[in-house]
Amino acid sequence: DQQVKQNSPSLSVQEGRISILNCDYTNSMFDYFLWYKKYPAEGPTFLISISSIKDKNEDGRFTVFLNKSAKHLSLHIVPSQPGDSAVYFCAASELNGGSQGNLIFGKGTKLSVKP
Amino acid sequence: SAVISQKPSRDICQRGTSLTIQCQVDSQVTMMFWYRQQPGQSLTLIATANQGSEATYESGFVIDKFPISRPNLTFSTLTVSNLSPEDSSIYLCSVRDNYNQPQHFGDGTRLSIL
Repeated sequence: DQQVKQNSPSLSVQEGRISILNCDYTNSMFDYFLWYKKYPAEGPTFLISISSIKDKNEDGRFTVFLNKSAKHLSLHIVPSQPGDSAVYFCAASELNGGSQGNLIFGKGTKLSVKP
Repeated sequence: SAVISQKPSRDICQRGTSLTIQCQVDSQVTMMFWYRQQPGQSLTLIATANQGSEATYESGFVIDKFPISRPNLTFSTLTVSNLSPEDSSIYLCSVRDNYNQPQHFGDGTRLSIL
């Protein structure tokens, strides 16, 4: 059973508009969440993270929102640029549990930003 | 963040053979991990590579199939043994210094089995 779900395999957005990538999780013990970006033939690159004590974290064009009651997080990219076209992975971990903070990944969402 | 070099970047192997993947980091890191990404799937943790001792394997992964070495704080190898078509995947090395820090990944090894 998937503990981290990205239900949209793909998303297409016009350049300059907002991209919203969604992620749902089932384990209420998760307390640290991350987003990674992956280009073809490269490894995932860390983008932004959020701790469960916050509901928002912002870094430039990227903002992550966390809704603990809904077990949902989202990544907003504003404005979207063609260079943002990549696969985005959501990941979660239980820092204060027995899993040593190991990451559980979603299957990814492929974002295409059209000029 | 640390620079992670993985070799080979890709390989095509015969059934029944083994492939060893190397991961070199340009600085000492506390934790090193090996992941697998099967086609269309998420990244799955195979094991945590422990320096000077046996790796810690996740459920579904065993040492006989995926032997791992970590002789020091900058280097680790993953061997995928007795290869079968189901082993066709991308294998990724990852490092982290502290539990509350993000993991960083190498570029992966794309393995195909004939």
